[in-house]
Amino acid sequence: EAGVAQSPRYKIIEKRQSVAFWCNPISGHATLYWYQQILGQGPKLLIQFQNNGVVDDSQLPKDRFSAERLKGVDSTLKIQPAKLEDSAVYLCASSKGLAGNTGELFFGEGSRLTVL
Amino acid sequence: KQEVTQIPAALSVPEGENLVLNCSFTDSAIYNLQWFRQDPGKGLTSLLLIQSSQREQTSGRLNASLDKSSGRSTLYIAASQPGDSATYLCAVGGADYKLSFGAGTTVTVRA
Repeated sequence: EAGVAQSPRYKIIEKRQSVAFWCNPISGHATLYWYQQILGQGPKLLIQFQNNGVVDDSQLPKDRFSAERLKGVDSTLKIQPAKLEDSAVYLCASSKGLAGNTGELFFGEGSRLTVL
Repeated sequence: KQEVTQIPAALSVPEGENLVLNCSFTDSAIYNLQWFRQDPGKGLTSLLLIQSSQREQTSGRLNASLDKSSGRSTLYIAASQPGDSATYLCAVGGADYKLSFGAGTTVTVRA
């Protein structure tokens, strides 16, 4: 069974530039998550989709971050304009159901962003 | 708001010693708890998932226990090997269907 796919693995940009990350979840997984992991910290949830609807985006900085999950499968996370503090690893995860309920969470390899 | 704490932040042991990793959480009304492993520069790999009705889960050399009333989970790794060196994170699933992560314990197993 293929795992969660993410791209690109690494990205270096200047502040105020834009960047986009892509994620393809495990086939059949209804729930997709984007997490931000700053060095030395645990992952922080940015946004959670159930199929193509948003379940939770309370911690997404909506003035600069946006995410979509068209057709309820793959997803894109965009940052525009980027700030220095956005330097982090952006992790995509998926689960069959709601992970905080009974579902097990599976992560991709992550996309490491460096903002200069 | 659920707070998840993992102490110690780092641990170094000689090969062959058993590892004991601790995770504590503030709200005992949880649905599940999941332990992950993270290698440098990599994503998180699921190790064990414990449902709220369970007391423990085992997989090979790994055993995780859950005590909801005291807000604690412990991950035991028997007979540690250098390949066990990684960061171990626990995540707690709450009634709001959200996962709250600890900051992790970084383990080094010395050959």
